[in-house]
Amino acid sequence: EDQVTQSPEALRLQEGESSSLNCSYTVSGLRGLFWYRQDPGKGPEFLFTLYSAGEEKEKERLKATLTKKESFLHITAPKPEDSATYLCAVQETRRQPFISSGSARQLTFGSGTQLTVLP
Amino acid sequence: NAGVTQTPKFQVLKTGQSMTLQCAQDMNHEYMSWYRQDPGMGLRLIHYSVGAGITDQGEVPNGYNVSRSTTEDFPLRLLSAAPSQTSVYFCASSPRGISGSYEQYFGPGTRLTVT
Repeated sequence: EDQVTQSPEALRLQEGESSSLNCSYTVSGLRGLFWYRQDPGKGPEFLFTLYSAGEEKEKERLKATLTKKESFLHITAPKPEDSATYLCAVQETRRQPFISSGSARQLTFGSGTQLTVLP
Repeated sequence: NAGVTQTPKFQVLKTGQSMTLQCAQDMNHEYMSWYRQDPGMGLRLIHYSVGAGITDQGEVPNGYNVSRSTTEDFPLRLLSAAPSQTSVYFCASSPRGISGSYEQYFGPGTRLTVT
């Protein structure tokens, strides 16, 4: 069964204090790993997709990396506006003979890390 | 483009009542889905659709119905609301593709309370 675990559940940082969020996953085959940002009362906002181990992607102060078992979201010199819940999700490569394009796109989400950056 | 829109933003129902949550997208996306988000449990897939006239069940489909008569709209129906359906509901859409993975774009959500 697919499992996605995010840690820590909550993280408080001082402005400028760099840190990393972790997403560990268990799937039979990874099609893609996604990072989303969610602000209170809003829908998740897409950040990155990672496809294979060793891949890295960057956006402003955020950098996502991927290994065969986990992904990290590194936050460099965060600002208060980076405060949000960060969600990780995986899409699995299914091995059945016939896979509908719908089932292949199903996402399994972690519970998220709530990040607070204090000024 | 408005992206993915959802109505209503908030709703309170009594146990046993029925209602429809609306979702629309203007990006001509093939794939649409409904999730519910509960504290500590992450987003869970309720139903999804790969195109007009085609729907399928996700992880937690019981108590919900969907239909897809057009590419743009994907309503979620609660047949007989129960307190366990108190949650925040998100609709998402994703473009057509031949292979690979595709990011999903989420709407702003509907916060539903069943008393």
